[in-house]
Amino acid sequence: AQSVTQLDSQVPVFEEAPVELRCNYSSSVSVYLFWYVQYPNQGLQLLLKYLSGSTLVESINGFEAEFKKSETSFHLTKPSAHMSDAAEYFCAVSDLQGAQKLVFGQGTRLTINP
Amino acid sequence: KAGVTQTPRYLIKTRGQQVTLSCSPISGHRSVSWYQQTPGQGLQFLFEYFSETQRNKGNFPGRFSGRQFSNSRSEMNVSTLELGDSALYLCASSLQGTSGGWDTQYFGPGTRLTVL
Repeated sequence: AQSVTQLDSQVPVFEEAPVELRCNYSSSVSVYLFWYVQYPNQGLQLLLKYLSGSTLVESINGFEAEFKKSETSFHLTKPSAHMSDAAEYFCAVSDLQGAQKLVFGQGTRLTINP
Repeated sequence: KAGVTQTPRYLIKTRGQQVTLSCSPISGHRSVSWYQQTPGQGLQFLFEYFSETQRNKGNFPGRFSGRQFSNSRSEMNVSTLELGDSALYLCASSLQGTSGGWDTQYFGPGTRLTVL
């Protein structure tokens, strides 16, 4: 079975400051890793994913995450925060066989201060 | 292409009643998954349907059930509602979701169920 720990329930940052949302996972098998974002009163949107290959993955809006197998981590970063980044972010894993069954972390609420 | 749609968006029920939620996947998608989101437990996987068959199941009591129709639309049913069933229920669809592979899951806006 897999589990996901998001170490911070809330992360406040100033606009244009760097962002880091932390995610650690536990699994006895190889996994796929994901970051989803949820805006108020909306469903989840896939931000980026790691399936295989390069351990550094990027999204279209400037976020990136690096898969570090030795540390079982998949932290999400962005060099400069925008007001529009304020949302809740969820890290998730699935094993390679149950690929459509996602196990989510508890979420991190990112707030941006002007 | 239209996204995943869920109906109704909001629902209020009382304890002991039953409820049926509906999910229409993106056209051409054959896999539908359901998740429950609560402040206390977070996002939890309920079940997944593919080609009208339940393929994966989470750790929920038998009061939670679902089905998928031949057009890939899915419904989930909760019987004998409890206060703790109050949650946002999210549906996600994906193209195929073959075992050993991965297809992007697209989420709907959810149905917010309140049990009084």
